[in-house]
Amino acid sequence: DIQMTQSPSSLSASVGDRVTITCRASQSISSYFNWYQQEPGRAPKLLIYAASSLQSGVPSRFSGSGSGTDFTLTISSLQPEDSATYYCQQTYSTPYTFGQGTKLEIK
Amino acid sequence: QVQLVESGGGVVQPGGSLRLSCAASGFTLSSYGIHWVRQAPGKGLEWVAVISSDGRNKYYADSVKGRFTISRDSSKNTLYLQMNSLRAEDTAVYFCAKDDYYDGSGYHWFDPWGQGTLVTVSS
Repeated sequence: DIQMTQSPSSLSASVGDRVTITCRASQSISSYFNWYQQEPGRAPKLLIYAASSLQSGVPSRFSGSGSGTDFTLTISSLQPEDSATYYCQQTYSTPYTFGQGTKLEIK
Repeated sequence: QVQLVESGGGVVQPGGSLRLSCAASGFTLSSYGIHWVRQAPGKGLEWVAVISSDGRNKYYADSVKGRFTISRDSSKNTLYLQMNSLRAEDTAVYFCAKDDYYDGSGYHWFDPWGQGTLVTVSS
């Protein structure tokens, strides 16, 4: 199975900050990689697909990069509504594993 | 509007069975792969199973293989997850999600997701 390791597990940042979350795959997965946002009590929501493509309707302050084993989610200017848990995922092969999540708190 | 709505969750004793449903609207279920993903209380996301668009291929996480069965009824545009021999560690919110993709690229992702249904395995 492909292991997905996210860092950090949690972070606290201020409105307007630039925030970066990283994810590393245990083997190369090309760009079979996605990011999701989950607010408490809600279903996950797709943010970025195929490593760097922004899902329709997602604010442009979110961006994704990377290929192979190392990936990054960047929020260019943090907003209060970005408080959530973020998950990375590989869809290279089953089981389609997720990272353990990064809980983002607004100071 | 593309939407998925899960139902069928509840409280069941260890060793018992439960069948979850995932009703699709706004698209034809049999044209897409559909996944089940679960989330134990306070924990992260765990992929459970997928059925391919043609219904011929089904894949399961090792943790549920041999106990859970994914299926669909195209006439009802509904997906199912039959869960047998349930264990305490199966307690979770279960989400269904549509497999979306670029034509020809091979890249795919889960979108949208249903709101989830809670399964509690407890005596």
